[in-house]
Amino acid sequence: GQQVMQIPQYQHVQEGEDFTTYCNSSTTLSNIQWYKQRPGGHPVFLIQLVKSGEVKKQKRLTFQFGEAKKNSSLHITATQTTDVGTYFCAGRNFDKLSFGAGTTVTVRA
Amino acid sequence: GAVVSQHPSWVICKSGTSVKIECRSLDFQATTMFWYRQFPKQSLMLMATSNEGSKATYEQGVEKDKFLINHASLTLSTLTVTSAHPEDSSFYICSARVVSGETQYFGPGTRLLVL
Repeated sequence: GQQVMQIPQYQHVQEGEDFTTYCNSSTTLSNIQWYKQRPGGHPVFLIQLVKSGEVKKQKRLTFQFGEAKKNSSLHITATQTTDVGTYFCAGRNFDKLSFGAGTTVTVRA
Repeated sequence: GAVVSQHPSWVICKSGTSVKIECRSLDFQATTMFWYRQFPKQSLMLMATSNEGSKATYEQGVEKDKFLINHASLTLSTLTVTSAHPEDSSFYICSARVVSGETQYFGPGTRLLVL
């Protein structure tokens, strides 16, 4: 079955630094979505990527969808304490959305 | 827009009892709703997909007789955990979408603790 792998599982970042989380699928995806879940909260939709090679930006967040539509990345620049939480990618193949394990981000001031 | 609510947000029950969790799309009609469970520090695991007016599709390993799902209207889906046991304690989250392939909007989740 479809599997979505996400690395790293944990990311401890110095405030102001950049980091990237990566997502890889065993199958070609029709689209990929990114969610953020704050501690104790529920997943909140961030963005959806559909096209091969697509790049989208939201302020300090840059999302990229691979040419083969099997991988994606989220890059955050100048990390702030508000970036704390777990970032999930979710890949869609046909009608099924499969979530990666998530990258839990902590920030040290 | 696109608000999904869940009720209750917290529930503590005795082993052997049944618990019903409601998921409502407040400002849109959801043709499809999804039920997930999430264990601490783990990812979301899809339990089942429900389409309004039809039987839910359960993921492999999820007991349909234990986790009863009803999607009676375009704005309401319910998950009933029957004869709950301590191992059913988890964070249950629903999501809803309007059109296939579009964004899923998540509810705030329900934390279930079975004693």
